[in-house]
Amino acid sequence: DTEVTQTPKHLVMGMTNKKSLKCEQHMGHRAMYWYKQKAKKPPELMFVYSYEKLSINESVPSRFSPECPNSSLLNLHLHALQPEDSALYLCASSQEWTAQSGANVLTFGAGSRLTVL
Amino acid sequence: GDSVTQMEGPVTLSEEAFLTINCTYTATGYPSLFWYVQYPGEGLQLLLKATKADDKGSNKGFEATYRKETTSFHLEKGSVQVSDSAVYFCALSGKTGANNLFFGTGTRLTVIP
Repeated sequence: DTEVTQTPKHLVMGMTNKKSLKCEQHMGHRAMYWYKQKAKKPPELMFVYSYEKLSINESVPSRFSPECPNSSLLNLHLHALQPEDSALYLCASSQEWTAQSGANVLTFGAGSRLTVL
Repeated sequence: GDSVTQMEGPVTLSEEAFLTINCTYTATGYPSLFWYVQYPGEGLQLLLKATKADDKGSNKGFEATYRKETTSFHLEKGSVQVSDSAVYFCALSGKTGANNLFFGTGTRLTVIP
């Protein structure tokens, strides 16, 4: 299995809703990432988990709450979002987070397209 | 800090034309370099990579050579197809301990029959 699976593919939510995005990989990767991609822009890193511990939080607002319940799963809990949070949310994984041995390639999921009304 | 500068798009080519998308980088040390492709409505897929100077990455007819002297990693393909229409992102991964990818702004390619 060489895939990163993201659910749901599409999500529409109101500003008072609570929802979650899910990401799963079975490649034995120990690093998992959340990226946010606005229309016609490159992906921007939000969070990195390494061995199920949060290693990087790129100053993301607290209305986004990541969770890594085990080495195969990564969630992004959403609460009280704003319309400007509408974007494609990409999950990725790699063998390791540190890159000293060379290029650890990130494998991306297809993304969850979020619309906040 | 580390950064990637990518040629502005969009690029429109006829089928079988030659493609070049320019990418230059700024980084401390010797980063690894990547090209990712994003087809409409999908996530990113790794197209090719190079981890050291003079390495050539290649895949599906695309090539890019890691040029340390010009800090460049230009993407080329000799004969594009309609199915190559997508957004192409150049990216680098610094070797300073973290495997974060820094992406360029992306170049949208449209190939017309």
